[in-house]
Amino acid sequence: DAGVIQSPRHEVTEMGQEVTLRCKPISGHNSLFWYRQTMMRGLELLIYFNNNVPIDDSGMPEDRFSAKMPNASFSTLKIQPSEPRDSAVYFCASRLAGAGGELFFGEGSRLTVL
Amino acid sequence: EDQVTQSPEALRLQEGESSSLNCSYTVSGLRGLFWYRQDPGKGPEFLFTLYSAGEEKEKERLKATLTKKESFLHITAPKPEDSATYLCAVQAGNQGGKLIFGQGTELSVKP
Repeated sequence: DAGVIQSPRHEVTEMGQEVTLRCKPISGHNSLFWYRQTMMRGLELLIYFNNNVPIDDSGMPEDRFSAKMPNASFSTLKIQPSEPRDSAVYFCASRLAGAGGELFFGEGSRLTVL
Repeated sequence: EDQVTQSPEALRLQEGESSSLNCSYTVSGLRGLFWYRQDPGKGPEFLFTLYSAGEEKEKERLKATLTKKESFLHITAPKPEDSATYLCAVQAGNQGGKLIFGQGTELSVKP
């Protein structure tokens, strides 16, 4: 059974460019999470969805960040315009709603903004 | 504010040398405490869920315990393949489904 699939695995871009990260959750999972991981701040929750509806976006750092989940099998995290301080590994995770804390993480998208 | 603090930041052990990792937390109404393992270049992988003080869970050489203020991950006779970063996370009762993660403990086990 395929796990959470993220793309791209690596992205190098220049400051000011738009970045789109993609996530396909595990089939049947109805909660989806976007996390960001840096050495300084660890894993930070950016936003999560239940049944494609955003529930908590309090972790989205600024208006430059936006996330969508148009259907149960796809989500995007967009940064526009990107800045060097956005450099991090972005993880997508999914789970069955009500399944407690057992999240299934993708392998992450490593973003470098020059 | 809900908070999770892990210690030590890094731990180096010799193969077979048992030790413990600590996770201290302050949270409004704990719904659950979770341990994850993260290998370099990978996403975190779920290990355990603990719900109430006094609860224990075991898996191979790992045992997780929970009190009202902290959790321990005990590693008995570790092997080099146990080397990874171990992350602790909490779910608060008033925070819906979100998990708050600690900074992690990087464990290195030398043969």
